[in-house]
Amino acid sequence: DQQVKQNSPSLSVQEGRISILNCDYTNSMFDYFLWYKKYPAEGPTFLISISSIKDKNEDGRFTVFLNKSAKHLSLHIVPSQPGDSAVYFCAASDGGGADGLTFGKGTHLIIQP
Amino acid sequence: DVKVTQSSRYLVKRTGEKVFLECVQDMDHENMFWYRQDPGLGLRLIYFSYDVKMKEKGDIPEGYSVSREKKERFSLILESASTNQTSMYLCASSSGSKSSYNEQFFGPGTRLTVL
Repeated sequence: DQQVKQNSPSLSVQEGRISILNCDYTNSMFDYFLWYKKYPAEGPTFLISISSIKDKNEDGRFTVFLNKSAKHLSLHIVPSQPGDSAVYFCAASDGGGADGLTFGKGTHLIIQP
Repeated sequence: DVKVTQSSRYLVKRTGEKVFLECVQDMDHENMFWYRQDPGLGLRLIYFSYDVKMKEKGDIPEGYSVSREKKERFSLILESASTNQTSMYLCASSSGSKSSYNEQFFGPGTRLTVL
């Protein structure tokens, strides 16, 4: 049973526009959420996180929104740049820093020139 | 600068062989993790460790074991490799205790092919 769902396997966005990546979760015990970016043949790199006590966290061009009642979070990238083309993974934790993360299947973001 | 290294980028082994994947981190992190990544399945947790000599099963531990004899090193062992263990293996580490939230830092991955 998939506890973290990214329902869009791919997303194509024009350069300069906003990219919105979505993630849904089913486990109400999750209280920390992260987004990772992955290029081919490289390990994932941490992008941004949010704890369940917040509903928004912003870091430069990246903003993560959390809607706990809907068990939904989204990553906004504004403006989108060619280097943003990568696979984005949503991840969640219910045990703090010592436990493993539960990942979604990923969304392949393609930024069109 | 944070660094997680994995012993091999690419590895080819035969069915039935014993396989060791090594991971080293230089950040003095308490926690270390092994994941595998497969197309359409995302990253799945195999094993993790929150201290030397300690290990915990993740979501898919079957067919794997781990060893953590030193804080900086976490090994993944495939006792008898099978073709369904062909995958990208990713090691990660993080600092902090259960009550703290810290992101995990990943190594570059090992692409293992079992023939």
